[in-house]
Amino acid sequence: AQTVTQSQPEMSVQEAETVTLSCTYDTSENNYYLFWYKQPPSRQMILVIRQEAYKQQNATENRFSVNFQKAAKSFSLKISDSQLGDTAMYFCAFMKPPQGGSEKLVFGKGTKLTVNP
Amino acid sequence: GAGVSQSPSNKVTEKGKDVELRCDPISGHTALYWYRQSLGQGLEFLIYFQGNSAPDKSGLPSDRFSAERTGGSVSTLTIQRTQQEDSAVYLCASSRHRGNTEAFFGQGTRLTVV
Repeated sequence: AQTVTQSQPEMSVQEAETVTLSCTYDTSENNYYLFWYKQPPSRQMILVIRQEAYKQQNATENRFSVNFQKAAKSFSLKISDSQLGDTAMYFCAFMKPPQGGSEKLVFGKGTKLTVNP
Repeated sequence: GAGVSQSPSNKVTEKGKDVELRCDPISGHTALYWYRQSLGQGLEFLIYFQGNSAPDKSGLPSDRFSAERTGGSVSTLTIQRTQQEDSAVYLCASSRHRGNTEAFFGQGTRLTVV
C-alpha cells in the first residue's frame, strides 16, 4: 500500500519570504501522480500543483514549485514570496495511474503553514 | 453547478441516530469520491463512484456506512447508528471523467456525534 509522510506538522514564515514543505512517499509503482492541496479555514481543498512521475521536469505554478526526486521518493513544495493568504493546511497526496477502478488519493497528515506579517 | 456542493455544512446528531450527507458534484463530472477528515488523522478515502457504480468501496470503515449515487449526479453518504468516533469532516470531490486526475472538492460536512 502507498503511504505519504509529511514530517513537519507546523511551519511559519514571514511575509515575502520563501518556505519549503517536505513530503516523502512510499510506493512500488513506477508511474503515478503527486499533488499538493491547500486547505484554508473554509475547509475546501484546493489543488495547488500536480506532478506526473514520468515527467522529469519539476512542475511550477506561479509562486509555487516542486522539487521532485523520484529515486528518493521525495516531493517538496516551495512557496516563494509568501503571502498572508497562503496561511492554510497543506496536504501532499499520491495517486496511482487511474485504472482498474482504483482512483483514490492517498494523503499525508498535513502541514499547518502560518504566514506572519 | 459552479462547484461541488455539500449539505448540510454542519450536523450535530445524537449517538445511535442515522445521518445522511449529500454531495452535488460539478455538472458533467462522472467521477465522485468521499473522504473523511478526522482530527489529527488526515484524509481517508471512503468510496469512489464512476457514474452510478462504485468500483472501489474499500475505505468504508464498517457496514454502518453506505453510499449511493443516482442519475450519475447526486450522491448520499449514510451512516447508521452513529458513534462518537464517526465525528469528522466528510469531504466530497468530483472529477470530469475517469482518468482525469484533477479532483474538485466541496467544503465538507462537519459531523458531530454527541
